[in-house]
Amino acid sequence: DAGVTQSPTHLIKTRGQQVTLRCSPKSGHDTVSWYQQALGQGPQFIFQYYEEEERQRGNFPDRFSGHQFPNYSSELNVNALLLGDSALYLCASSFVAESAPLHFGNGTRLTVT
Amino acid sequence: GNSVTQMEGPVTLSEEAFLTINCTYTATGYPSLFWYVQYPGEGLQLLLKATKADDKGSNKGFEATYRKETTSFHLEKGSVQVSDSAVYFCALTQFGNEKLTFGTGTRLTIIP
Repeated sequence: DAGVTQSPTHLIKTRGQQVTLRCSPKSGHDTVSWYQQALGQGPQFIFQYYEEEERQRGNFPDRFSGHQFPNYSSELNVNALLLGDSALYLCASSFVAESAPLHFGNGTRLTVT
Repeated sequence: GNSVTQMEGPVTLSEEAFLTINCTYTATGYPSLFWYVQYPGEGLQLLLKATKADDKGSNKGFEATYRKETTSFHLEKGSVQVSDSAVYFCALTQFGNEKLTFGTGTRLTIIP
């Protein structure tokens, strides 16, 4: 049973570009959350998707957007990249009845130069 | 708002030593509390959790007790191993809100 899978594992982009990160949730899960983890910091909540809609959002600018597909997979898009967007982006999945995401992917390491 | 404060690291211990990583929180109501572990190059893994006061979460020899009177959820292990070297994150959620609020993490290194 595959857990949460994320792609790509590493990515290098230039300031001002746009990036799309992808996540497939654990089998049976219907909710996907995205977190940003800057170097040496704890993860920060970006947003959560359920039933193809953004259910909750953290304190991130509109440059960060997302999407959830009918098969529950999800994308995170970041426009107009800034150097400060360099981080590990983590996807977590859960079943709607759970109290918190219990399953995280290994993340996508984004470097903005 | 909610916040989690963790013991600053890094922490270095010898194998078989006793481990304590302190965690305190600020939240309204009755949050659920979690410890996650992050091994090098990997994502987060749930280590243990507790959902109400006085609950004890335990897993792989680690344990933590939800103390509402001191708003704490300290992580302990009686005898650490080299394989326990990782970064440990304390986190909370509030009822009806699945967003996790994390501490800054504590890097633990166990030396043989």
